[in-house]
Amino acid sequence: AAGVIQSPRHLIKEKRETATLKCYPIPRHDTVYWYQQGPGQDPQFLISFYEKMQSDKGSIPDRFSAQQFSDYHSELNMSSLELGDSALYFCASREAGEGYNEQFFGPGTRLTVL
Amino acid sequence: EDQVTQSPEALRLQEGESSSLNCSYTVSGLRGLFWYRQDPGKGPEFLFTLYSAGEEKEKERLKATLTKKESFLHITAPKPEDSATYLCAVQAIGSGTYKYIFGTGTRLKVLA
Repeated sequence: AAGVIQSPRHLIKEKRETATLKCYPIPRHDTVYWYQQGPGQDPQFLISFYEKMQSDKGSIPDRFSAQQFSDYHSELNMSSLELGDSALYFCASREAGEGYNEQFFGPGTRLTVL
Repeated sequence: EDQVTQSPEALRLQEGESSSLNCSYTVSGLRGLFWYRQDPGKGPEFLFTLYSAGEEKEKERLKATLTKKESFLHITAPKPEDSATYLCAVQAIGSGTYKYIFGTGTRLKVLA
């Protein structure tokens, strides 16, 4: 079965650089969530999109922005990177409609900021 | 404030030694409770969804139960391959959108 696809899987950046993470949800899934997970921590919700519009906002820094495109894929843009941004970034998607509440996670992008 | 607390933080079991993981939650409106398994460096893998008190779900050696305040993940006769971090998440209804709140997880280690 198709799963959530994230790219790249690994990314190394210098401080103050920018990064773009991509997420391709499972087909027929119209809701996308972004999470940041530091070592030994639970996933921290950043932002979500439903039908290409922002649906909820969590602890996303102002330096980050995201959007969802017409094909439902989403991109997380990160600027002025800081050392503390080093983490695993997960995307999750959810199917449209009532009764479909489970999120399915992608494999993650490991971002290292040097 | 919506909150999810998991206990214990870490658990070591001998192979075959059954135990339970706890997830306590406080949310204004519960939409659903979810259990995930996460292996190091990988994305959380969906296990169960529970919607109402009294509901139970089973999958192989795992059984999830739900009350009005907490959920338990029972592991029967665990094997070393069950070693992972188990995450509990609650879907809360807020401002017309659905927010997910994660607990900090229980790191399970099953020894052969």
